[in-house]
Amino acid sequence: QVQLVQSGAEVKKPGASVKVSCKASGYTFTSYYMHWVRQAPGQGLEWMGIINPSGGSTSYAQKLQGRVTMTRDTSTSTVYMELSSLRSEDTAVYYCARDGIIAAAGTWGWFDPWGQGTLVTVSS
Amino acid sequence: AIRMTQSPSSFSASTGDRVTITCRASQGISSYLAWYQQKPGKAPKLLIYAASTLQSGVPSRFSGSGSGTDFTLTISCLQSEDFATYYCQQYYSYPRTFGPGTKVDIK
Repeated sequence: QVQLVQSGAEVKKPGASVKVSCKASGYTFTSYYMHWVRQAPGQGLEWMGIINPSGGSTSYAQKLQGRVTMTRDTSTSTVYMELSSLRSEDTAVYYCARDGIIAAAGTWGWFDPWGQGTLVTVSS
Repeated sequence: AIRMTQSPSSFSASTGDRVTITCRASQGISSYLAWYQQKPGKAPKLLIYAASTLQSGVPSRFSGSGSGTDFTLTISCLQSEDFATYYCQQYYSYPRTFGPGTKVDIK
């Protein structure tokens, strides 16, 4: 079955960087775009960006431009999200989520499935 | 960015109730709308996509309708496992945006 498994919780100091991984299995990794979404404690869902695992192209939310970098490793079917210059407002659970439509269709869709989430805590 | 709103933000209901949640987009999004269910400490789970298509494995008591700017999620007969927070999301354009959520709890 399609599965996304994320790396474990992280605690970082303000100004540091964090890199979260998301390992995909159960499907052809390069055939579907991958999104990242975060959720601050008690808050709603915020889309962070998207990566094409095939060519590596990315698109980021304007709010995070310059601080977020999404990459992939096709040899291990893993996508990564790195966030730099961390501040307390970045404390959140970070999710990867596969796009619902195969990339060859030339369009993008809903998010399914989702990884289990990775809690990133930014605290001095 | 397209702004998504939901109503109500929360409400209490009883097992067996028929419940309806409304989602509105700030501009037309055709039928490019999905609904997710999230339980505490868990990742969101896809319920419905394309406004009204039930995701495989989701119980038929869930249904969605609407197009353009106004959408609804209906649970025909609320079960104990349905107490959760529900989010709508548009995938018509970037950035993808979510509604603020509707929390359904036990009366």
